[in-house]
Amino acid sequence: EPEVTQTPSHQVTQMGQEVILRCVPISNHLYFYWYRQILGQKVEFLVSFYNNEISEKSEIFDDQFSVERPDGSNFTLKIRSTKLEDSAMYFCASMGEETQYFGPGTRLLVL
Amino acid sequence: AQSVTQLGSHVSVSEGALVLLRCNYSSSVPPYLFWYVQYPNQGLQLLLKYTTGATLVKGINGFEAEFKKSETSFHLTKPSAHMSDAAEYFCSNAGGTSYGKLTFGQGTILTVHP
Repeated sequence: EPEVTQTPSHQVTQMGQEVILRCVPISNHLYFYWYRQILGQKVEFLVSFYNNEISEKSEIFDDQFSVERPDGSNFTLKIRSTKLEDSAMYFCASMGEETQYFGPGTRLLVL
Repeated sequence: AQSVTQLGSHVSVSEGALVLLRCNYSSSVPPYLFWYVQYPNQGLQLLLKYTTGATLVKGINGFEAEFKKSETSFHLTKPSAHMSDAAEYFCSNAGGTSYGKLTFGQGTILTVHP
């Protein structure tokens, strides 16, 4: 069964460093998403992406964040200068059959 | 604007007992409602969804949910809990379109006692 994959599963970084979180969506899906879940809080929407451009973004998704689909399979989330409050689980999702399918997540810890 | 409220951050049941996890939504457009389950150290797995049509929807692992527009609710039930049902459950709403962003409730941790 096709699934969304994410790498790395865990990432530890120093405050101010850039991180790139990678996702491989399900191959025939056209809509892609990033969400995050800070420990103990709700899952929050960050951004959606369709046809090689952002279709919607939340207030959280400021200039420090960017997304890219560099090739036909990968979908990346870049955080340019990480802050302590960026520590969270980041989930990628892709949409097919009226359903968003989630990857296993990347746990990001900013020190 | 949309919101999703899950009543009860923790629910504890005995094995074999009824499971009832509550979800209420508010939405200015017809909702697209989903229940996801998250097992420890894993991602979000779809349990079931309501988009249009039949208001009682059945999902995996014996779970079902009923969309009640008059009550703005989408409660999740399972007649008989199993130890393997212990997990965190999230209700969410895509609000009007299947490809829209999901708005999540705060989650309910289900504990199943032997």
